[in-house]
Amino acid sequence: GPKVLQIPSHQIIDMGQMVTLNCDPVSNHLYFYWYKQILGQQMEFLVNFYNGKVMEKSKLFKDQFSVERPDGSYFTLKIQPTALEDSAVYFCASSPSTGHSGNTLYFGEGSRLIVV
Amino acid sequence: GEQVEQRPPHLSVREGDSAIIICTYTDSATAYFSWYKQEAGAGLQLLMSVLSNVDRKEEQGLTVLLNKKDKRLSLNLTAAHPGDSAVYFCAVNMGYKLTFGTGTSLLVDP
Repeated sequence: GPKVLQIPSHQIIDMGQMVTLNCDPVSNHLYFYWYKQILGQQMEFLVNFYNGKVMEKSKLFKDQFSVERPDGSYFTLKIQPTALEDSAVYFCASSPSTGHSGNTLYFGEGSRLIVV
Repeated sequence: GEQVEQRPPHLSVREGDSAIIICTYTDSATAYFSWYKQEAGAGLQLLMSVLSNVDRKEEQGLTVLLNKKDKRLSLNLTAAHPGDSAVYFCAVNMGYKLTFGTGTSLLVDP
């Protein structure tokens, strides 16, 4: 099936530093998402993104978070500065814009972030 | 916003038995429903999706039932096998935002 790739798969970072998580969405998908999962718990919505803009974000999407997809390259989640509570697995997803399968999200394998 | 409850949180069955997971949601305008499987340390694998005008869908040993009146969505794994052991999440969405259930950890004993 369609593949979403995430880089890196794991990262350990000192508190206060910046981290960028990269996502290569399914080609021709236009909607992109980030979700956060702590210790195998519930997947929590962070943000969705379309046409270069944030469409919707949750209260978990703190001011230290930002997303972008410059010129059709990676869809990125940047955290600056990082905090201990940012330790989690971050999942990227993408979905097609329209059609019967328009609302199906395809997820990457996740990026495990550990803030120490 | 949308609230999704999922039960049971943990489920253990024997190989060959069926396993049923149930989700309830709050927003009657929810249009699209999905079930995902997450194996240990891995991402989410889409199992099946249904639109709100579908009551029942079967694929490869999986049955999804949607009761819009009761706002209840269920996943039935018939004849479970050890490879089905994983965490299962329901997900409901309106527009392009997905809200997940709390997850069910399924263990299938050989």
